[in-house]
Amino acid sequence: DAGVIQSPRHEVTEMGQEVTLRCKPISGHDYLFWYRQTMMRGLELLIYFNNNVPIDDSGMPEDRFSAKMPNASFSTLKIQPSEPRDSAVYFCASSLALPPQETQYFGPGTRLLVL
Amino acid sequence: DQQVKQNSPSLSVQEGRISILNCDYTNSMFDYFLWYKKYPPEGPTFLISISSIKDKNEDGRFTVFLNKSAKHLSLHIVPSQPGDSAVYFCAATFSGNTGKLIFGQGTTLQVKP
Repeated sequence: DAGVIQSPRHEVTEMGQEVTLRCKPISGHDYLFWYRQTMMRGLELLIYFNNNVPIDDSGMPEDRFSAKMPNASFSTLKIQPSEPRDSAVYFCASSLALPPQETQYFGPGTRLLVL
Repeated sequence: DQQVKQNSPSLSVQEGRISILNCDYTNSMFDYFLWYKKYPPEGPTFLISISSIKDKNEDGRFTVFLNKSAKHLSLHIVPSQPGDSAVYFCAATFSGNTGKLIFGQGTTLQVKP
């Protein structure tokens, strides 16, 4: 398996623009997670899905952030409008079950810079 | 409010010596702890874990120690190798299927040849 795939790997945009990050989980994994990594706070869980249904979005920072999972092989994280403080690395992860029962497998991340 | 803290942003050790990475947590309800390793530009990968019913778990050169009374865990790497140079994240969770891994900020380990 190719592992978790994320695109784009790098994104530079201007404040106010819409940003869409994409993720393809490992085939057969029922859980998908979106994380954000910053220097100050480390890795923070934003939202996770089970069988394409959002289960916990309490980590989503603001209404500017939204996530969807239209099918088992694709998810998006959208920021609209983007702000400089959204600059971070965004990771997608997938797993067969919730931790700690199963390991989460992370994608390579999308490095976002909002100018 | 950081529930899991890694207070050392970086650590440098000589090849062959021991590396000790530390992690503190504040929530006494956490009952499972994990360490992830991250090589740039890849994502984090699972390294080792420990349940709160244990105080030590060993896997080859990697050992995790848990001190519940101090709410502290540490990762020992012996002997350290240059290939161990990476960012290490500790994480905590509840075994009751909440789904949340609470991560620390990460510690960058550099092992010098």
